Parts: sequence; structure tokens; C-alpha cells
Amino acid sequence: GAVVSQHPSRVICKSGTSVKIECRSLDFQATTMFWYRQFPKQSLMLMATSNEGSKATYEQGVEKDKFLINHASLTLSTLTVTSAHPEDSSFYICSANPIREIYNEQFFGPGTRLTVL
Amino acid sequence: GQQLNQSPQSMFIQEGEDVSMNCTSSSIFNTWLWYKQDPGEGPVLLIALYKAGELTSNGRLTAQFGITRKDSFLNISASIPSDVGIYFCAPNQGGKLIFGQGTELSVKP
Repeated sequence: GAVVSQHPSRVICKSGTSVKIECRSLDFQATTMFWYRQFPKQSLMLMATSNEGSKATYEQGVEKDKFLINHASLTLSTLTVTSAHPEDSSFYICSANPIREIYNEQFFGPGTRLTVL
Repeated sequence: GQQLNQSPQSMFIQEGEDVSMNCTSSSIFNTWLWYKQDPGEGPVLLIALYKAGELTSNGRLTAQFGITRKDSFLNISASIPSDVGIYFCAPNQGGKLIFGQGTELSVKP
């Protein structure tokens, strides 16, 4: 149980294009999903909290117009990196918080490696 | 802001040895989670701690939530090669996880 998938697992794009990453909870529902970014040899940094049916909450320093988040259902959140630049190249990981009594657990997807040329 | 210190940063051990790592903070947390991340993958939840003083085991892993709620440790007993990876503590406050810097574990067969 508590499986989270991400698609695509890898993407290479040209500078200036937009890239959409999907995060799905496969066997549970999640009102809240989270998006993290991880640079090589570094820890995970929370970018934003995605709430089903409402606007995402972004962490300080994260541009909401550049990183568009949509949480359309209880099992799907998407992150769109708009007008990507080489400095956006990173490992993007989502997590989901199951709707159940133990509300503090987060289960992570396998990550998406984004490379912007 | 909240300060979270995880140590050690890296460990090189022999297979069969026990391992201990810990996280300390200047802030009080309600939950401590421990994750393991393999290269190129997302973190996997190992142990979740919900009460101050709680000691929880998961196979060869044991973790404790400090009585002050400002620290936690993770022990791995009788390490094996597949224990290799990066271990993160991740206390939760207000629904958000704060990740430690990670402890990179290398196990020599």
C-alpha cells in the first residue's frame, strides 16, 4: 500500500520550453501532495504544498508563475515548469499524505530527473 | 528559522557492524520520520515516531523520538550491503517535513 508514481521518470528539454510532471497516488487518496526539488548531493527542499481543489502554497523563494501546480483530484497533482532554463535542471520528487488517522506520514514518488539544455 | 542538524554526514562501515545516526534541532516537533533514499529514487519511509520517548523498531532498524521532542536517533544493527544509501531524518511540523542533511552510508562486504 501507499504507492506514489511519477511520470515521466526522465525528461530532457530545450531551454524555453515547458515541462509537465505528474504525481499520482495509486492505492490511496490524498488531499495534500507536496513537491520537492533535490540538487546533486543535497537534501530535499520543499517547493510547494498542493491541496486538492484549492491553490497551492509555495515556499519562500519559489516562483509560483514558473512552477505551476494543479491538484485536480484526490489522486493526481501536476507540476509544470514553465519556460525552463538550465538552472531548473534538478530531481523533482512529489509526496502524498494519505487521508487517514496517521496524517503526518508522507509517501514519496520515484522522482523525475529534469535536464534543460 | 528552524535548525536541524543530522550527523554524521557519512559513514564507512564493515558489513555486520552496527550503525547509529541522529538528528538534533533547536525546535520542538510533533513527529519524527526516518527515510532512506537510494540513488536516483525517491525516499522510502522507514520508521515514523509520534510520541516523545517512543522507541520503535522495524526489523534491524530502531529509532527513538527524544524526550525533549528536539531530537531523534536511528540505529541499524548488523548492517548488510543493501543498507547502502542516504538516510534522512524528517521531523514534521504543521504538516510539512523538514529534511536533515542526510547521512550517507557505505557498507563494505
